[in-house]
Amino acid sequence: QVQLVQSGAEVKKPGASVKVSCKASGYTFTTYTIHWVRQAPGQRLEWMGWIDAGNGNTKYSQNFQGRVTITRDTSASTAYMQLSSLRSEDTAVYYCARENRWFDSWGQGTLVPVSS
Amino acid sequence: EIVLTQSPATLSLSPGERATLSCRASQSVRNYLAWYQQKPGQAPRLLIHDTSNRATGIPARFSGSGSGTDFTLTISSLEPEDFAVYYCQQRSNWLFGGGTKVEIK
Repeated sequence: QVQLVQSGAEVKKPGASVKVSCKASGYTFTTYTIHWVRQAPGQRLEWMGWIDAGNGNTKYSQNFQGRVTITRDTSASTAYMQLSSLRSEDTAVYYCARENRWFDSWGQGTLVPVSS
Repeated sequence: EIVLTQSPATLSLSPGERATLSCRASQSVRNYLAWYQQKPGQAPRLLIHDTSNRATGIPARFSGSGSGTDFTLTISSLEPEDFAVYYCQQRSNWLFGGGTKVEIK
């Protein structure tokens, strides 16, 4: 079955960067696009960007332009999301999701608290 | 960009009652709208895609309707496991609505 398994929680200080991984299994990784979505405590789901796992093309939300980088390693069937210049407002659970026209499979989420 | 507005923010109902959730788009999204369910501490789960198509394994009590700018998610008879937050999403820029919390009355 399709599974997306994310890396564990990471506590970060303001100004630092975080890189979250999302390992896919149960399907051909390069056939689908992976999206990243975050959710701050008590807030709505916020779309961050996507990567075409086949050709590596990316698109990012304007809200994160310049701070977010999404990459992938096809040999490891893994996508990565790096967010830089972290601030307290970036405290959130970060999710990866597979796009099969819609987000039909999600990772379990990675909590990233940002605190001095 | 297309913005989705969900109403009400909170719906207080009893098990067995009918739930009607609304999602309004700032401009037409045709039928490209999906609904997700999220329970505390869990990732969202796809319920309905392309306005009215149930995702794999979703019970028939969940149904979606609408087109253009106005969409509805209906839960015909609430089961205990249906109390959760529901989000709508469109494909134009992948943005989500603000969510509707369905809570036990």
